[in-house]
Amino acid sequence: GAGVSQSPSNKVTEKGKDVELRCDPISGHTALYWYRQSLGQGLEFLIYFQGNSAPDKSGLPSDRFSAERTGGSVSTLTIQRTQQEDSAVYLCASSLEWTGGVAFFGQGTRLTVV
Amino acid sequence: QKEVEQNSGPLSVPEGAIASLNCTYSDRGSQSFFWYRQYSGKSPELIMFIYSNGDKEDGRFTAQLNKASQYVSLLIRDSQPSDSATYLCAVNRARGSGNTPLVFGKGTRLSVIA
Repeated sequence: GAGVSQSPSNKVTEKGKDVELRCDPISGHTALYWYRQSLGQGLEFLIYFQGNSAPDKSGLPSDRFSAERTGGSVSTLTIQRTQQEDSAVYLCASSLEWTGGVAFFGQGTRLTVV
Repeated sequence: QKEVEQNSGPLSVPEGAIASLNCTYSDRGSQSFFWYRQYSGKSPELIMFIYSNGDKEDGRFTAQLNKASQYVSLLIRDSQPSDSATYLCAVNRARGSGNTPLVFGKGTRLSVIA
């Protein structure tokens, strides 16, 4: 597609439920990032996929968080047993491998846990 | 010490003035440096990137890099009210191979007063 697409745009869920957030990167971009941004805060790194390499999961805050990337394209971030502190905007970005970080962001998914 | 540090601001400048945004980083292995702009409620968008020591100019924007001092800055000339946003500094270790994730500072909020 023309840009990074994320769905849903907004998600309200009850505490304890599982949620899945989807990211469709720019076609041909081999690097994909997930970040989280709480209100008024900076971008918190969650996970990074680069081509066929093992993902860098060092930013995942707990084992309730997981992500996968199928076929080197679409990625899904899953949060199990959601907690209120998980409420944030979840941002996905993608980039070409050789640019070393010229990343393009999706519009984000605003997650609210009630 | 945080990996990427920025003054949170707000930085207020009058319309037409030069806005100077600063960023320091702790990892001497950092190779690629990026400035992103984020309007309230929107996703970050790339403004500039710089890889080599010195200045890089693009229109009203100039990025400056000093690796010895681990310092990168963004100058905005002839500031406009539409430049009012949060400016995020980001770094990564890779250059030419995107094998590390971008690390972001918390951002500096810029307000240009008409």
